[in-house]
Amino acid sequence: GQQVMQIPQYQHVQEGEDFTTYCNSSTTLSNIQWYKQRPGGHPVFLIQLVKSGEVKKQKRLTFQFGEAKKNSSLHITATQTTDVGTYFCAGGYSTLTFGKGTMLLVSP
Amino acid sequence: GAGVSQSPRYKVAKRGQDVALRCDPISGHVSLFWYQQALGQGPEFLTYFQNEAQLDKSGLPSDRFFAERPEGSVSTLKIQRTQQEDSAVYLCASSPRTGGRPLGGYTFGSGTRLTVV
Repeated sequence: GQQVMQIPQYQHVQEGEDFTTYCNSSTTLSNIQWYKQRPGGHPVFLIQLVKSGEVKKQKRLTFQFGEAKKNSSLHITATQTTDVGTYFCAGGYSTLTFGKGTMLLVSP
Repeated sequence: GAGVSQSPRYKVAKRGQDVALRCDPISGHVSLFWYQQALGQGPEFLTYFQNEAQLDKSGLPSDRFFAERPEGSVSTLKIQRTQQEDSAVYLCASSPRTGGRPLGGYTFGSGTRLTVV
């Protein structure tokens, strides 16, 4: 079945540093979604990418969908302590397959 | 309602006990999903409903797991004869999309944390 892999598993940065997490799928994806889960919370939808090579921005967050629609990335510029959490990518058509997530820790 | 509501928030069950977890999706959302999330892992798909029809139950780990959505709104996930490996957070999500088109993201509930002792 479809597998979605994320790297790194964990990253610890100083506030103000940039952060990037990468997502790779074993199969071509019709769309890729990104979620954020705060410690003790539930996943919250951030964005969906549908088109090959698509790039979307939300303030300090930049999301990319690869040309082959098998990979994606999330980049955060100048991290803040409020960015702490686990970031999941998920792909699929009728149902989503989630990656294991990248846990981001930001030190002030 | 304004969001996806799950109850109970926490459930402690003795091994062998049956449990029922409830999900109340956003009003009018056609699609409803159940996921299982173990500590430090991503959500794992369990089952999917479109209205009252269970379209995919391929993720249910065993025949001890059963889900229903009889009137196309509230859903219940039932686990019979609970085992320790069933301990996890059970997340419910809903989506307004229809026809299998991948439109928009899921709205998740706060989850039910099940601990089997």
